[in-house]
Amino acid sequence: QSVLTQPPSVSAAPGQKVTISCSASSSIMGDNFVSWYQQLPGTAPKLLIYDNNKRPSGIPDRFSGSKSGTSATLGITGLQTGDEADYYCGTWDSNLSSWVFGGGTKLTVL
Amino acid sequence: QVQLQESGPGLVKPSGTLSLNCSVSGGPFNFYYWSWIRQPPGKGLEWIAYISYSGTSNYNPSLRSRAAISVDTSKNQFSLRLNSVTAADTAFYYCARLAHGRHDIWGQGTLATVSS
Repeated sequence: QSVLTQPPSVSAAPGQKVTISCSASSSIMGDNFVSWYQQLPGTAPKLLIYDNNKRPSGIPDRFSGSKSGTSATLGITGLQTGDEADYYCGTWDSNLSSWVFGGGTKLTVL
Repeated sequence: QVQLQESGPGLVKPSGTLSLNCSVSGGPFNFYYWSWIRQPPGKGLEWIAYISYSGTSNYNPSLRSRAAISVDTSKNQFSLRLNSVTAADTAFYYCARLAHGRHDIWGQGTLATVSS
């Protein structure tokens, strides 16, 4: 069981907005940045959000990130069928001295 | 742009050693950390280890006793050895660049199957 907890799945209709949560079991998020990764079916993960809320070049502003206390949230607006993927949060766990990922959330665009 | 490419045998026998290489091209190798991450089919991501160009390394505590990461700066490569493998080690293995606290560039991944 990951120290970062994500909902197994979320769904929404095209054009709608969805949020994916990432909750820490301890204070690991207090000092460390959270990043988010998108894994389209059959492909490698891709960096989507870093430093809690920054987008790499080429990532549309439909994707956003935030962090408060021991929780982080990924938001996606204007959902498209091409957004159907698995999404993972990740951060450095200072207690474990280990990088950790959340269990992943499968997004379905209905 | 920077590209990472994993290589290694697709099939490993139980109790054997899994050996993987990651070649980095198109950008600087120094100044970064480099990670191995794995994903059992249909499951989530698990970080295995990272190493710097100078050889500083760190491991997932759950794999520390069986994993060894190394770097060859002359070839812009880093490698992973995982010994005493079982079927539970069957997974897609990804190499990735760890830059400023995020894994910003990933290889395409390679499937390693543990089976007799």
